[in-house]
Amino acid sequence: KAGVTQTPRYLIKTRGQQVTLSCSPISGHRSVSWYQQTPGQGLQFLFEYFSETQRNKGNFPGRFSGRQFSNSRSEMNVSTLELGDSALYLCASSLRGGAAEQYFGPGTRLTVT
Amino acid sequence: GQQLNQSPQSMFIQEGEDVSMNCTSSSIFNTWLWYKQEPGEGPVLLIALYKAGELTSNGRLTAQFGITRKDSFLNISASIPSDVGIYFCAGTPGGGSEKLVFGKGTKLTVNP
Repeated sequence: KAGVTQTPRYLIKTRGQQVTLSCSPISGHRSVSWYQQTPGQGLQFLFEYFSETQRNKGNFPGRFSGRQFSNSRSEMNVSTLELGDSALYLCASSLRGGAAEQYFGPGTRLTVT
Repeated sequence: GQQLNQSPQSMFIQEGEDVSMNCTSSSIFNTWLWYKQEPGEGPVLLIALYKAGELTSNGRLTAQFGITRKDSFLNISASIPSDVGIYFCAGTPGGGSEKLVFGKGTKLTVNP
């Protein structure tokens, strides 16, 4: 089976712009979770989508949003980018979601200048 | 709270040595997962634990779900250079939350 794929792998944006990241889960997995990873804060949970519905949400501002399509592919959007949004954004898929084992993609490295 | 304290932060060992790292919390966790992350890659799941007291092995790796449900450890036996990376513990807190909480990681360096 192919693993979790994320596009693009690297992105450079300017403050104030918006960005959309994409994640394709493992075939058959219906849950996609998004995480932000920074050296200072570590891995922090953004949100989880299961069967096109947001099921859990972390403590991030409303500038961070996501959606999931009927084929389980997910997108994450960040509007009005700030310098502090520079991070590795990881998505993870799982069969059942929630506490079930999650499998991560390689991440998208976002740099905001 | 729902934080995970992972220790040590970093380890420098010689090839062939055994390694032990652990994760603790002041609150109960229902699930413990151990991941390894290498530079430029996402975390890779190593071991998943679902029951208090559970001891699970994956090759040279062994992990246990603490009996109090507030801790977990990961042991690596006979380390090799490719064990280098950052090891993360993660878990789902009790109380019905299904959000995965991560420790800050243990950075392992293995000297050949």
